[in-house]
Amino acid sequence: DSGVTQTPKHLITATGQRVTLRCSPRSGDLSVYWYQQSLDQGLQFLIQYYNGEERAKGNILERFSAQQFPDLHSELNLSSLELGDSALYFCASSVEGGSLYEQYFGPGTRLTVT
Amino acid sequence: AQTVTQSQPEMSVQEAETVTLSCTYDTSESDYYLFWYKQPPSRQMILVIRQEAYKQQNATENRFSVNFQKAAKSFSLKISDSQLGDAAMYFCAYRSALSGSRLTFGEGTQLTVNP
Repeated sequence: DSGVTQTPKHLITATGQRVTLRCSPRSGDLSVYWYQQSLDQGLQFLIQYYNGEERAKGNILERFSAQQFPDLHSELNLSSLELGDSALYFCASSVEGGSLYEQYFGPGTRLTVT
Repeated sequence: AQTVTQSQPEMSVQEAETVTLSCTYDTSESDYYLFWYKQPPSRQMILVIRQEAYKQQNATENRFSVNFQKAAKSFSLKISDSQLGDAAMYFCAYRSALSGSRLTFGEGTQLTVNP
């Protein structure tokens, strides 16, 4: 158990819908990362937050957005869902935002868009 | 942009034998970190081993060791005395030391351990 929690574990929804994925980092970790794992794209970085502020952006679609709240939990919002958005979404956290620090992964949220 | 390539989609090994998984990467940076992650059927991402590019000595963690060839941009993982629990997808990953802390992953190698 990495100490990173993600809810829900599984999510099934229809095309065009909107969903919110939630992540709670390890106690004391200030930085949160979101990654997407799909059959087409493999594992790719979406976005990073550090202490409430966006730190880095990767291959995140405009239909997707994220935020980190004052209690440091983070949410990834996916809207106008398409079949291709079906994937495993991971959250990871680290103590600080720099590359020196290890990232600990949560168990992931499996999103299925039908 | 950095890229990571794993040219072996699948590998298999007999229990108690040794197997080597290959990884190459492309970067113009001189300071970075390399990782091997294991993803078992549970889908949890588990860090196996980490290598700092400035260190010449290859990292070792129990039965897991790496062969880091900086000039060749090669980073292979050797698993000794393979166990059934080693069966998983293995991902090689790169992280810059200077320009952000995102991980860039390879395509993965599915390792099967035969009893």
